[in-house]
Amino acid sequence: EVHLVESGGGLIQPGGSLRLSCAASAFTFRRYWMHWVRQAPGKGLVWVSRINGDGSSESYADSVRGRFTVSRDNAKDTLYLEMDSLRAEDTAVYYCARVGEQSGSYLDYWGQGTLVTVSS
Amino acid sequence: SYVLTQPPSVSVAPGQTARITCGGDNVGSTDVHWYQQKPGQAPVLVISYDTDRPSGIPERFSGSNSRNTATLTISRVEAGDEADYYCQLWDSSTDHYVFGTGTTVTVL
Repeated sequence: EVHLVESGGGLIQPGGSLRLSCAASAFTFRRYWMHWVRQAPGKGLVWVSRINGDGSSESYADSVRGRFTVSRDNAKDTLYLEMDSLRAEDTAVYYCARVGEQSGSYLDYWGQGTLVTVSS
Repeated sequence: SYVLTQPPSVSVAPGQTARITCGGDNVGSTDVHWYQQKPGQAPVLVISYDTDRPSGIPERFSGSNSRNTATLTISRVEAGDEADYYCQLWDSSTDHYVFGTGTTVTVL
């Protein structure tokens, strides 16, 4: 069974940095595009970023471009999200998700999420 | 940026049919996917490519997409279908993935 486990969330002050990780198992990680999606408390899903299988192509939502960086280590089956210059509005549960059919346009497996709270 | 608009809430009696719409400019020309999210849980894919049901999703869930509206239909609604539902597409012009505003389904 495909398994995605996020970690690295926590309480961080505005302007700070945080790195999230997503450990993948039970599938050939390097073949699949991966995404980060976030959800502020009581709000809807918001797409954040995606990366292709070999890490050579990335895409970001306008709200995080220039502050967040997505990367992956295919040797460790792990996806990352480096978040800099954090703002209160970045407070959310962050989910990693796998793309269906390796590079399709839907997300077939999701982790349980990790909570990031940006507050002084 | 592309916007997908959903009704905030839909209420339905058990055994009846719930229809959740997802409106967007010419949304019928692209693939729309649907997710179910129950409180405290991660989203679950229920429909991909407008009409395809992943393995394990009941036949009661179906989808359609035409012109400016995609629709998720839940037939013979059960109490366990209470959840938030989101549509999603890939905007090829920006290489951005877009989620709808979300709809809370309440079973009366």
